[in-house]
Amino acid sequence: NAGVMQNPRHLVRRRGQEARLRCSPMKGHSHVYWYRQLPEEGLKFMVYLQKENIIDESGMPKERFSAEFPKEGPSILRIQQVVRGDSAAYFCASSPGPGGSGYTFGSGTRLTVV
Amino acid sequence: AQSVTQLDSHVSVSEGTPVLLRCNYSSSYSPSLFWYVQHPNKGLQLLLKYTSAATLVKGINGFEAEFKKSETSFHLTKPSAHMSDAAEYFCVVTVTGTASKLTFGTGTRLQVTL
Repeated sequence: NAGVMQNPRHLVRRRGQEARLRCSPMKGHSHVYWYRQLPEEGLKFMVYLQKENIIDESGMPKERFSAEFPKEGPSILRIQQVVRGDSAAYFCASSPGPGGSGYTFGSGTRLTVV
Repeated sequence: AQSVTQLDSHVSVSEGTPVLLRCNYSSSYSPSLFWYVQHPNKGLQLLLKYTSAATLVKGINGFEAEFKKSETSFHLTKPSAHMSDAAEYFCVVTVTGTASKLTFGTGTRLQVTL
């Protein structure tokens, strides 16, 4: 049973380009969470999704960022018109149900904006 | 609302000596508490979790933590540090049994010297 799979592991984008980060949850997990880790900081919650629904997006920047978790396929975190301040590690976690002890994290995608 | 405070940003110990990483939490509801470890440029690994069962929680690699409600603390300990324990450690809180997001502390960097 593979863990939470994130790809790519490393992503380099020029300012103004779009970044797409993918997250495949563990088998049987229908809840996905995205977190961002800025250099030298802890992880900050961005968004929580179930299949085809956004449950909590209170941590998402109001502009340029969007997330989806379609019925089929991985969850996608999309950042449009990236800026240098978007450079960070983006982690995805999944769980079989809401909250509690079932979180499993992926290895993260490290985005560098040049 | 919930929050965690990691009282030390850096801790340095000698190999073979005890480790103590301090964490205080705040939660309006019954909390679940976790400790995660992150090695440089790696993902997050769950060390241990407390979800309202036994207050003394044993985790992997010889780590343990004690939930003290009266002190709102969840300190992480290990009797004898090993060089491989050098990493960043995060204390994390969420509300038990809900769809609540994880709230991370700012992290404690553990250095282990010979």
